[in-house]
Amino acid sequence: GENVEQHPSTLSVQEGDSAVIKCTYSDSASNYFPWYKQELGKGPQLIIDIRSNVGEKKDQRIAVTLNKTAKHFSLHITETQPEDSAVYFCAASRISGANNLFFGTGTRLTVIP
Amino acid sequence: DAGVIQSPRHEVTEMGQEVTLRCKPISGHDYLFWYRQTMMRGLELLIYFNNNVPIDDSGMPEDRFSAKMPNASFSTLKIQPSEPRDSAVYFCASSFAGLAYEQYFGPGTRLTVT
Repeated sequence: GENVEQHPSTLSVQEGDSAVIKCTYSDSASNYFPWYKQELGKGPQLIIDIRSNVGEKKDQRIAVTLNKTAKHFSLHITETQPEDSAVYFCAASRISGANNLFFGTGTRLTVIP
Repeated sequence: DAGVIQSPRHEVTEMGQEVTLRCKPISGHDYLFWYRQTMMRGLELLIYFNNNVPIDDSGMPEDRFSAKMPNASFSTLKIQPSEPRDSAVYFCASSFAGLAYEQYFGPGTRLTVT
């Protein structure tokens, strides 16, 4: 089965700085990589995703990159704000067939004002 | 538009009692997923349904756990009898068949078994 590893487990940055979270996956058949943001007391919220036919995707201050050869993908948040503080999860799945999302262990991001 | 709805939001029960968690998926979504989140194991998929039919229940921990989806707008996850190690946050998620991989999560039910 798929195994997703995520680093770091905690990350503290100053407001305005950038944050980078990295994930690796094991199943070369995985072709869909979403990122979820989970705020305290809430469910995970899909914030951005990338498919394996794309190397990079950007949405305002967040971007994801994918290196399919190396089996790793990353989340980049620029100009961080206090409201970015949350736990971020990466995941891997296949677009067709089984739709199980295999999650990383999460990164607790703290943006210091 | 309403997202995934779960009830109750919090449940405290004693060991041995039956617990029923409820979920209403987003209208029009064909897939429904039940996850469990703990500090030790992270987010784990328990079971998922497609068009009300269970597709993969390999993540269900043991026979004490059961899930049903009697119709497209309602699902239950039942634990009988409950044990302290079942304490966790249980999430329901749903997705649309055309984009089945884009899952939208509910707010979760925090279960505490004493």
